[in-house]
Amino acid sequence: ELKVEQNPLFLSMQEGKNYTIYCNYSTTSDRLYWYRQDPGKSLESLFVLLSNGAVKQEGRLMASLDTKARLSTLHITAAVHDLSATYFCAVDKGSGSRLTFGEGTQLTVNP
Amino acid sequence: SAVISQKPSRDICQRGTSLTIQCQVDSQVTMMFWYRQQPGQSLTLIATANQGSEATYESGFVIDKFPISRPNLTFSTLTVSNMSPEDSSIYLCSVDRPSTDTQYFGPGTRLTVL
Repeated sequence: ELKVEQNPLFLSMQEGKNYTIYCNYSTTSDRLYWYRQDPGKSLESLFVLLSNGAVKQEGRLMASLDTKARLSTLHITAAVHDLSATYFCAVDKGSGSRLTFGEGTQLTVNP
Repeated sequence: SAVISQKPSRDICQRGTSLTIQCQVDSQVTMMFWYRQQPGQSLTLIATANQGSEATYESGFVIDKFPISRPNLTFSTLTVSNMSPEDSSIYLCSVDRPSTDTQYFGPGTRLTVL
């Protein structure tokens, strides 16, 4: 059974600081997704990582994938308040895009 | 991206009743997915809906409780049957967009069972 674990689950940061969210998964997978969820809202797609060593960046967020270590990271650079949200990683179970989600990381960026 | 709409956006229902949630996509897709997000929790896949065949359910979910229809390539429904307060959750549908290798989610249906 595929398990996906994120840490930390709760993260409180100061504006301007850097931090990394980690996503570990238990079995081989073809792709890994990162999503953002604001309170009361649906999921917004941030990144999809398709191969070992893949790195994608959008604004202050950068995601990477190490399939050998079964680890993905979401790095936040110079955080701003607007990044406050819950971030989920999700892993494809390997047949037909069925996703298993991590527990989510609730990020709060304080002024 | 994909434009996905869901109806209703929210509902409050009585124990023992059933609710059918609709999901409409702006273009044809092979597979549609239904997820549940319990309060303060992550998302869990309920089932995969393919047009022209029966839905495939994940462990812990059964057709009698969550019957699914997929009458065409842009539409699906999920019914939550014989509801109890434990069914209070957000229910989301999602679709793949092969052109972007991304799975997109609808706005969700927030269900409260009293």
